[in-house]
Order: sequence, then structure tokens, then C-alpha cells
Amino acid sequence: AQSVTQLGSHVSVSEGALVLLRCNYSSSVPPYLFWYVQYPNQGLQLLLKYTTGATLVKGINGFEAEFKKSETSFHLTKPSAHMSDAAEYFCAVIHRGSNYKLTFGKGTLLTVNP
Amino acid sequence: NAGVTQTPKFQVLKTGQSMTLQCAQDMNHNSMYWYRQDPGMGLRLIYYSASEGTTDKGEVPNGYNVSRLNKREFSLRLESAAPSQTSVYFCASSEFTEAFFGQGTRLTVV
Repeated sequence: AQSVTQLGSHVSVSEGALVLLRCNYSSSVPPYLFWYVQYPNQGLQLLLKYTTGATLVKGINGFEAEFKKSETSFHLTKPSAHMSDAAEYFCAVIHRGSNYKLTFGKGTLLTVNP
Repeated sequence: NAGVTQTPKFQVLKTGQSMTLQCAQDMNHNSMYWYRQDPGMGLRLIYYSASEGTTDKGEVPNGYNVSRLNKREFSLRLESAAPSQTSVYFCASSEFTEAFFGQGTRLTVV
């Protein structure tokens, strides 16, 4: 079955520390990969996506993610956390072998401590 | 370019009432979705439509019906609302490498 797994429903970091949010997918064909951010009481905003080409993708607000086919992963990172990064983050995939269906992970709540 | 438009943004229903959430996209996408979001449970797929005239159940379809009458519009209907359907509802559309979301509908059933 095709799925998206986000490891850790809650990640807490100190301001200035590295942010690492993990995402693994299960798919027979490498999917298109997305990270979305949701700030409190708001909708979902696209952070970045990987479709083809360079496996390291840079997004908004200093975030980046690397597609690693051998590990079936698409982890999200930011070198230095800011208080404004506190939000919920969702990894999503579009499965190319299944009607191009969008599937989400369960989300990771990022807390940034002063 | 409006993207994905959902209406209404807020709604309060009494138990047993019915309502339809509307969603429209102007990006000519084939796929459209309805999700609900509850605290600690992420986004759960209610229904999915791969193209005009087709719909498929998602993870939590009970208590809901959908209509995909044309390529632009995908509506979600609650025939007899229950307090368990209190949630934030998101509509989305996607096509190959693009996926966009509406701003959400906050529904409270009392």
C-alpha cells in the first residue's frame, strides 16, 4: 500500500537549533513530494516540492528538503530555528502510479523554545 | 487567479440539520479532495474525485456525500449533521506536480 509516514508527531527545538522533520514514503514508483506548513488557525501553505531534477530542494523561510530514493525519504531541514517557525508541518506525496492521488502524512507539530 | 475557493468559512449547525460545503477551483485540475482536520489526527481524506463524474471514498466517508458535477466544482454534503462532524474541512485540487488547498471551513455541530 502506498503511504506517507512522518516520524514524530511533535518535535521541540530551541531557537537557533537545527530543525529536522522526517518523512518517508512507500511507493513502487518515486512520487512527487511536498511539504506544507500550517500556522495556527490558518490554511495549508506550500513550503517546497520535489518533482524531478536536483534532489535538494529549497523552499520558503529557509527550509530545504532532500529526496533520497534509496532511503525513500524526503526530510525537511532548517539550519537555525526561529520562533516564527512554530507550526504544524505536513509531508505529502502525489503517487504517479495511482491516478496521481495526493496522500498526506499525519503531521508534525514543531515547537520552538526561546 | 483565485485557486481553490471554499464556502462558507464558518458554519454552526444543529444536530440533524443538513448543509453543503462548496468548493471550486479554477486551475483546470482533474483531481479534487475533501479532508477533515481534527486536533492530533492530521488531515483525513473524506472523499476523492480523480476526474469529473467519478468519486471514491477516503478514510472517513461515513455521514458524508459528495458531488462532482463538473471539472471545477466538488461539493460535500452532510445530510444529518452530528456533533462528531465538528471539524475543520479543507478542499484541495491537484494535477501531476501541483496541489492547492482552500482556506478551510470551520464547522461546529451543536
